[in-house]
Amino acid sequence: EVQLVQSGAEVKKPGESLKISCKGSGYSFTSYWIGWVRQMPGKGLEWMGIIYPGDSDTRYSPSFQGQVTISADKSISTAYLQWSSLKASDTAMYYCVGFGELLPTGNWFDPWGQGTLVTVSS
Amino acid sequence: QSVLTQPPSVSGAPGQRVTISCTGSSSNIGAGYDVHWYQQLPGTAPKLLIYGNSNRPSGVPDRFSGSKSGTSASLAITGLQAEDEADYYCQSYDSSLSPVFGGGTKLTVL
Repeated sequence: EVQLVQSGAEVKKPGESLKISCKGSGYSFTSYWIGWVRQMPGKGLEWMGIIYPGDSDTRYSPSFQGQVTISADKSISTAYLQWSSLKASDTAMYYCVGFGELLPTGNWFDPWGQGTLVTVSS
Repeated sequence: QSVLTQPPSVSGAPGQRVTISCTGSSSNIGAGYDVHWYQQLPGTAPKLLIYGNSNRPSGVPDRFSGSKSGTSASLAITGLQAEDEADYYCQSYDSSLSPVFGGGTKLTVL
């Protein structure tokens, strides 16, 4: 079974750094794209960016470029989403998602990780 | 404001049929990109419900169906059940090859 398991909830203060993780299992980690999706409290889904662990090809949504860093360590089948200086507005649930080769008609996201809740508060 | 427009809420009685619309533009759905649908049950991660406009993943009941025409798409749910109460999101791509989501629709089963 293809599965993505994310790290646990985090509570941080503004200005602190954070790195959350997403571990893939049940498939060849280097053959699937991993994406990150944000869901702010009571709001909808927002695409943040994607990475191809096979060669670390990384693409960001313009809305998140420069705000976060997406990376992966293929030796441990894990992708990461990190912040260097958190803001209160980063408080949200973050989901990692998986998908195969990029399709010309666009990809769907499956599977989804269980989500990591990040709370930033002073 | 989301790139794809969905109604904030829809409702229906058990056994009824409901539809959820997803309206885009010539730079996303109308450009030929597929539409996919996700179901998010309360307190859980979204789950793929429909992919490639009208295809159901294994395990999704055939009560759920999707269609696409022009710059819009629709999700239909027949034989509504209490466990269908959830948030539903459509997703496509835009001309910059970025995934875009609808704002989500809350389905209430009366």
